[in-house]
Amino acid sequence: KNQVEQSPQSLIILEGKNCTLQCNYTVSPFSNLRWYKQDTGRGPVSLTIMTFSENTKSNGRYTATLDADTKQSSLHITASQLSDSASYICVVSPFSGGYNKLIFGAGTRLAVHP
Amino acid sequence: DAGITQSPRHKVTETGTPVTLRCHQTENHRYMYWYRQDPGHGLRLIHYSYGVKDTDKGEVSDGYSVSRSKTEDFLLTLESATSSQTSVYFCAIAAADQPQHFGDGTRLSIL
Repeated sequence: KNQVEQSPQSLIILEGKNCTLQCNYTVSPFSNLRWYKQDTGRGPVSLTIMTFSENTKSNGRYTATLDADTKQSSLHITASQLSDSASYICVVSPFSGGYNKLIFGAGTRLAVHP
Repeated sequence: DAGITQSPRHKVTETGTPVTLRCHQTENHRYMYWYRQDPGHGLRLIHYSYGVKDTDKGEVSDGYSVSRSKTEDFLLTLESATSSQTSVYFCAIAAADQPQHFGDGTRLSIL
């Protein structure tokens, strides 16, 4: 069964610190892996998208990595800000599924405290 | 923001009543999707559309129907609402081979 597991479920860090969120998936083969940020009361917003051949992708203070061999991805947030408080969702697109077959993780809820 | 609007943003209704949620886009994208989001679960696909009057079921389609009579509008109907359909509903749009863009959701409570 295609699944996307994220850890931790929730995380609290102090402003200015770094953190890393994990995503393990069983989807195979897959077309791409995405990380979304979802603020409270808002819809998810795309942060990064990586194909199976890419190892890393950055978007400002956000850096996503991908290891297709171990089926793991991580999202690293550098020098966290209060505005980083949100849920972060890992999404995998199966190779043959097109855009109607996205597999969503349940998300990691990040709280950044002053 | 991608031009996508969901309405209403909040709704409270009673069990057994029909409910219709609307998703409106100004991007002229071909693909539109309805998801539900529940605590502890990832977003789950209810129905999607790949063109006017072209729709298909997702993984949690029971109790829901959809219609797309115009490119810009995708309607989700709960034929007879049940308490298990209390959720936050998200609409998404996408052009071919592009990431999905999400609306800000409709919080639906069924009492």
